Amino acid sequence: GNSVTQMEGPVTLSEEAFLTINCTYTATGYPSLFWYVQYPGEGLQLLLKATKADDKGSNKGFEATYRKETTSFHLEKGSVQVSDSAVYFCALILPQGGSEKLVFGKGMKLTVNP
Amino acid sequence: DGGITQSPKYLFRKEGQNVTLSCEQNLNHDAMYWYRQDPGQGLRLIYYSQIVNDFQKGDIAEGYSVSREKKESFPLTVTSAQKNPTAFYLCASSSQGFKNQPQHFGDGTRLSIL
Repeated sequence: GNSVTQMEGPVTLSEEAFLTINCTYTATGYPSLFWYVQYPGEGLQLLLKATKADDKGSNKGFEATYRKETTSFHLEKGSVQVSDSAVYFCALILPQGGSEKLVFGKGMKLTVNP
Repeated sequence: DGGITQSPKYLFRKEGQNVTLSCEQNLNHDAMYWYRQDPGQGLRLIYYSQIVNDFQKGDIAEGYSVSREKKESFPLTVTSAQKNPTAFYLCASSSQGFKNQPQHFGDGTRLSIL
């Protein structure tokens, strides 16, 4: 079926470290891809998105490129900050039987230490 | 500022009791959604509504009920039939249903059983 697979955490990094969070998907069509972030005690916020192959989404120093050939949408940041500590969700939208559904990965908790 | 308001932030339920979680949005969005979040399982869709007076079951609708009498409101009732209701509940909304529109989320309600 259609699904999103994220690397499992939790992950702890030091400030200014490089971050990669892997995300791969399985889909029968051409989905739009998203990264959401959830800060402690809050709901989800859209971090970035890409709607077609080779699109690059970027926001707040984070980037992700829609790779159709590897069905991936890995999230990267060159230098993380303590304020980036959160849970990160990869997600996609694709049509399912006439109604489209947002499918989430399980999320990965990131802690950044000073 | 436009947004989604969920209340209460914390809710406690006794065994055999129904409780209702509130979700209000002033974004003028047509579509609204309820998700359940459990540790390590990501988000799962409970119910969604794409228009007033209409709603559809999501992946885990058993033990829950909703209504959509007004565009801005989409309350969720957790009934006594839901045997494991302890979770973090997130409400979301989007324009044009799911169709490539990122969903806006509230800050969530944490439900616990006494």
